[in-house]
Amino acid sequence: QVHLVQSGAEVKKPGSSVKVACRASEGTFSHHTIAWVRQAPGQGLEWMGGIIPFLGTTDYAQRFQGRVTFTADESTGTAYMELTSLRSEDTAIYYCATDRGDFHVWGQGTQVIVSS
Amino acid sequence: EILLTQSPGTLSLSPGEKATLSCRARQSVNNDYVAWYQQKPGQAPRLLIYGASTRATGIPARFSGSGSGSDFTLTISRLEPEDFAMYYCQQYGSSPRTFGQGTKVEIK
Repeated sequence: QVHLVQSGAEVKKPGSSVKVACRASEGTFSHHTIAWVRQAPGQGLEWMGGIIPFLGTTDYAQRFQGRVTFTADESTGTAYMELTSLRSEDTAIYYCATDRGDFHVWGQGTQVIVSS
Repeated sequence: EILLTQSPGTLSLSPGEKATLSCRARQSVNNDYVAWYQQKPGQAPRLLIYGASTRATGIPARFSGSGSGSDFTLTISRLEPEDFAMYYCQQYGSSPRTFGQGTKVEIK
């Protein structure tokens, strides 16, 4: 099965943007949909949306609409999540996962800290 | 948006005991599309159950899921030391996908 590897931790200033990468270990997503889920410190899980890499179609949770963009590069098997206008409440671990409706395989997570 | 409420918030049990975790939806979940995840500190969640009752690949038989409509249960028949963790339910019957707030299973 596919194995997902995410980019490293980021520290960002409020108002800036962050771009997190999620790479499929075999170099292809094999038509999987990729979801993004975040978890604030000590909190539960929150679905942000997802992308079907081979189609490029996206689905965003309403609360992130206009502030998040999902993209994918099929040639390298890498998906990206970019979040703009960062605020302290965006401090969280961001996960990518294969999306069958349930979230089957997860990346290891990327810590994003937003601090002045 | 379907709100999921998990109970109890914390379950204090001893190894070998049975754990029963509840997940209630404010409205019926389409096709009983409910999943359960286990999360240990510092780790990503791991899929245990999908479709309310189907174990994911490699998940031990002591984990079972049941329920339908708006009422779902995760049962761990006999707790092993490695089962003490946080557990989340999730519905994918309608958008947006939503999670419960979690149940912590701790050692008594």
